[in-house]
Amino acid sequence: GDSVTQMEGPVTLSEEACLTINCTYTATGYPSLFWYVQYPGEGLQLLLKATKADDKGSNKGFEATYRKETTSFHLEKGSVQVSDSAVYFCALGRQGAQKLVFGQGTRLTINP
Amino acid sequence: NAGVMQNPRHLVRRRGQEARLRCSPMKGHSHVYWYRQLPEEGLKFMVYLQKENIIDESGMPKERFSAEFPKEGPSILRIQQVVRGDSAAYFCASSPEGNGYGYTFGSGTRLTVV
Repeated sequence: GDSVTQMEGPVTLSEEACLTINCTYTATGYPSLFWYVQYPGEGLQLLLKATKADDKGSNKGFEATYRKETTSFHLEKGSVQVSDSAVYFCALGRQGAQKLVFGQGTRLTINP
Repeated sequence: NAGVMQNPRHLVRRRGQEARLRCSPMKGHSHVYWYRQLPEEGLKFMVYLQKENIIDESGMPKERFSAEFPKEGPSILRIQQVVRGDSAAYFCASSPEGNGYGYTFGSGTRLTVV
């Protein structure tokens, strides 16, 4: 069945550092891929998504490119801020299907 | 336009008691999903409901767990005879259509079984 694997955390960076959180998936066909962010004490918010191979999702300075050949959807940001501290989840969904499959989450802490 | 409302935010139950978690979807959303997040893990799908119907309960434990989404009122996730392993964050999401593209999540209910 479908599965998503994220790099293990926690990840701690200094402000203005570059960020990459790795995400790979196992699935047949062409799923859609998502990154969600969970701030402390809150629910998940959709950060960005890509629905087909080579698509790039972007939002709030974050980017991720859907790489079919490497089955990856790594999250990147060129210069992180303290306010980016949160837990980030990679997820997979299918057209016409109702449920999402989530990775285990990566906790990111940005120090000033 | 209120988002997905879950209550209570925190719930403490003794072993053997019942837990009732409520979820009011966003206005205009008729599809509700429940997910469970165990400590240090990702979210795991539990159940998908539309009004008065359970569409997919493939992620629900076979015993003690049930869910409903009545014609009027919120969706309810019910856990009978809770055990310590039920301690988790339970998230509800809603969408206007039955797919994974328009999800809005609530802030969750954190259940602690003592």
